[in-house]
Order: sequence, then structure tokens, then C-alpha cells
Amino acid sequence: AQTVTQSQPEMSVQEAETVTLSCTYDTSENNYYLFWYKQPPSRQMILVIRQEAYKQQNATENRFSVNFQKAAKSFSLKISDSQLGDTAMYFCAFMTFGGTSYGKLTFGQGTILTVHP
Amino acid sequence: DAGVTQSPTHLIKTRGQQVTLRCSPISGHKSVSWYQQVLGQGPQFIFQYYEKEERGRGNFPDRFSARQFPNYSSELNVNALLLGDSALYLCASSSVPGLARPDTQYFGPGTRLTVL
Repeated sequence: AQTVTQSQPEMSVQEAETVTLSCTYDTSENNYYLFWYKQPPSRQMILVIRQEAYKQQNATENRFSVNFQKAAKSFSLKISDSQLGDTAMYFCAFMTFGGTSYGKLTFGQGTILTVHP
Repeated sequence: DAGVTQSPTHLIKTRGQQVTLRCSPISGHKSVSWYQQVLGQGPQFIFQYYEKEERGRGNFPDRFSARQFPNYSSELNVNALLLGDSALYLCASSSVPGLARPDTQYFGPGTRLTVL
């Protein structure tokens, strides 16, 4: 079974600063995707970034980048130049290609990020 | 293009009742997945449907059922509601989950179900 662990229940950062959210996962699969989703208080789950496990290059989307360490099964999200609108719950999620879990997203418990002015 | 839509937004039911939640995927997406999110936790997978067939099922009791229609919209049904079924129910759609690999899921705004 796949598991996703986010060890930081809450984080805070000052506007314009950089913050890193941590995520570790456990799987025996070799082919999978990793995602970061954000869920603002409005509750809509929004895709932030996606990483394919077969790609060594870390994914980047504007101010958001990841540090993917496959051997360590670690997948952290770095938010640069934090903005007030980044305040949300952030979920790390895992999706495998194989077996009965094909296409199923497994989520971590989430990290509440608060950006202070 | 419109994103994933869900209805209703909020729903209040009493124990033992039945509820139906609805989801319309992004245009062109043929796969729909359902998740249950209890307050303060990450979503838990309930079902995935593709081309009207169930592709996956999470660890939920048989009181939970779903179906997908020819237009790729989907309904989630929950019978004999329990207090513990109170949660945010999220629908996500993805494009054809190719034989080789699945695709990114995009979420709707959710339906907040309260069971009294």
C-alpha cells in the first residue's frame, strides 16, 4: 500500500519570503506521479505542480518548484516570493500506474500554510 | 472552458436517509473520480469511473455507489446515512487515463454533506 506523510501540520511565512513544505511517501511501485495541490478556505482543490517519477529534472511552475529525491522517497515544495494568496492547506499526493491502485490519488494529511503581510 | 462542476453545494440530511451527489467533468474528460474529505484531513478515494465502467474502488462500504452516464457526468449515491458520512465530497475529472499511464485529476468545488 502507498502512504504519504506530511510532517508539518502548520507553517507560516512572511510575504515575499521563501518557504519549503515537506512530503515523504512510501511505495514499491516504480512508475508514479507526485502532485502538490492547494486548498484555500474556499475549499476548491487546485493543482500546483506535478512530477513524473521517471523524470530526474525537478518540476517548476513559476514561483513553485519541487525537490524530488526518488531514492529517499522525498518530494518537497518550495514557494518563492510568497504572496498572501498562497495561504491555504497544501496536500502532497501520489498516483501510481499499476495494479488496483491505478489512477487513484493518495493524499497526505496536509500542511496549513499562512502567509503574513 | 468550464471546470468541474458539482451539485448541490451544500446538503443537510438525517441519519438513515439517502443522498445523491452530481458531478460534471471538464469538457473532453472521460474519467471521473470521487473522494471523501473529512474536516482537517486529506481526501480519501472512493471510486473512479471511465467510459461508464468502474475502474477502481476505495475502502468504503457498499452503502456507497456511483455511476457514470454517456455524457461522462457522474452521480455518487450514499444509502443509510451515518453521522460519520458528514464530509466534503470531491469530484475530479481527468482525460482518458491511457492504457499506459493515468492523467492529472482536476477537482470540482465539492459538496458539503452534513448528516444530523
